[in-house]
Amino acid sequence: AQSVTQPDIHITVSEGASLELRCNYSYGATPYLFWYVQSPGQGLQLLLKYFSGDTLVQGIKGFEAEFKRSQSSFNLRKPSVHWSDAAEYFCAAGFQKLVFGTGTRLLVSP
Amino acid sequence: GAGVSQSPRYKVAKRGQDVALRCDPISGHVSLFWYQQALGQGPEFLTYFQNEAQLDKSGLPSDRFFAERPEGSVSTLKIQRTQQEDSAVYLCASSHGLAEYNEQFFGPGTRLTVL
Repeated sequence: AQSVTQPDIHITVSEGASLELRCNYSYGATPYLFWYVQSPGQGLQLLLKYFSGDTLVQGIKGFEAEFKRSQSSFNLRKPSVHWSDAAEYFCAAGFQKLVFGTGTRLLVSP
Repeated sequence: GAGVSQSPRYKVAKRGQDVALRCDPISGHVSLFWYQQALGQGPEFLTYFQNEAQLDKSGLPSDRFFAERPEGSVSTLKIQRTQQEDSAVYLCASSHGLAEYNEQFFGPGTRLTVL
């Protein structure tokens, strides 16, 4: 069965520190991969996506993600976290319909 | 330009009532998706339209759930005889529908509470 796993339910990072959110997928073929961010009361906003080609993908708000086929992973990174980055982050995979992970809640401490 | 809009934003229903949730996709977007997001969970796929054709409804949890998009633009998700387990946020998304434009743009969702 197709699935996306985000092993970390909560992560707390100090402002200015680096961030890495983990995502692993299980799919028949390499799917399109996405990271979305959801702030309270807001819809999902796309941060970045991987379709093919360069395995290091740049997104909005200073985020990047690296696709590693051998590990079936698509981890999200940011070199320096800002307080406004506190939100829920979802990894998703698919072609048309998307399969989402359960999300990682990012808390940013001063 | 306008994004995906959904109405109502909040809906409270008594168990057994029917509800209808509306989605207005981005103009010109061919594909439209419905997802259900339970509290503390990621969104789960319900159904997918390409224009007016419902191509996949494998995620609809029961025959109480019905979706339509009769003119290939606005879509309505209807839930009959609501149950408490139907309480969730219902998200609508639209996309161009072409492979290289598979990005889905999400609306703010409708939060349904069934009492």
